[in-house]
Amino acid sequence: GESVGLHLPTLSVQEGDNSIINCAYSNSASDYFIWYKQESGKGPQFIIDIRSNMDKRQGQRVTVLLNKTVKHLSLQIAATQPGDSAVYFCADLSNDYKLSFGAGTTVTVRA
Amino acid sequence: KAGVTQTPRYLIKTRGQQVTLSCSPISGHRSVSWYQQTPGQGLQFLFEYFSETQRNKGNFPGRFSGRQFSNSRSEMNVSTLELGDSALYLCASSLSSLYQETQYFGPGTRLLVL
Repeated sequence: GESVGLHLPTLSVQEGDNSIINCAYSNSASDYFIWYKQESGKGPQFIIDIRSNMDKRQGQRVTVLLNKTVKHLSLQIAATQPGDSAVYFCADLSNDYKLSFGAGTTVTVRA
Repeated sequence: KAGVTQTPRYLIKTRGQQVTLSCSPISGHRSVSWYQQTPGQGLQFLFEYFSETQRNKGNFPGRFSGRQFSNSRSEMNVSTLELGDSALYLCASSLSSLYQETQYFGPGTRLLVL
């Protein structure tokens, strides 16, 4: 079965607001996580990653938080823009080179 | 640097036929993975190749096979196509043999089986 999952399949957010996308994982041995963004008609695009020896990592307008105690990670998008509308996946890269993906959260940005 | 490229982008086949999809990784990347994406099952791992060797395989029937060439380009083949094989097939490449390497995806090949 999948080792990662997302809490909500859809998220609607007002342009300019912050977005938070959540993901839970079940494998306590998981130690590397990646967030991908997939726009319609395209392949998943790397956003940000985090290793288990960290609990927070920041990129441009994005922050990933990792809580190993409750096996939860989240992606925060600051000042959400229309171009952020997409499906977001969290993925766990296991030590057998296999990415396990969650089901995805569709983010819709309202103007 | 060019990204991962996949050909063809779209393909229509009929049941029972076979199909070969091609993937060219990012220059310098030696690991290539394949994934199947469907609305019902999401993104599922097919197999991964490094240095022309399959290192891991997902839970797909033997009709799904792949290979990697010395230049790291990879192909996957699906024989005796079934309607359920209709999907977006994604290829991803990563730099080296380390498992904690980010995988970068191509645009995918959308296969429709009639």
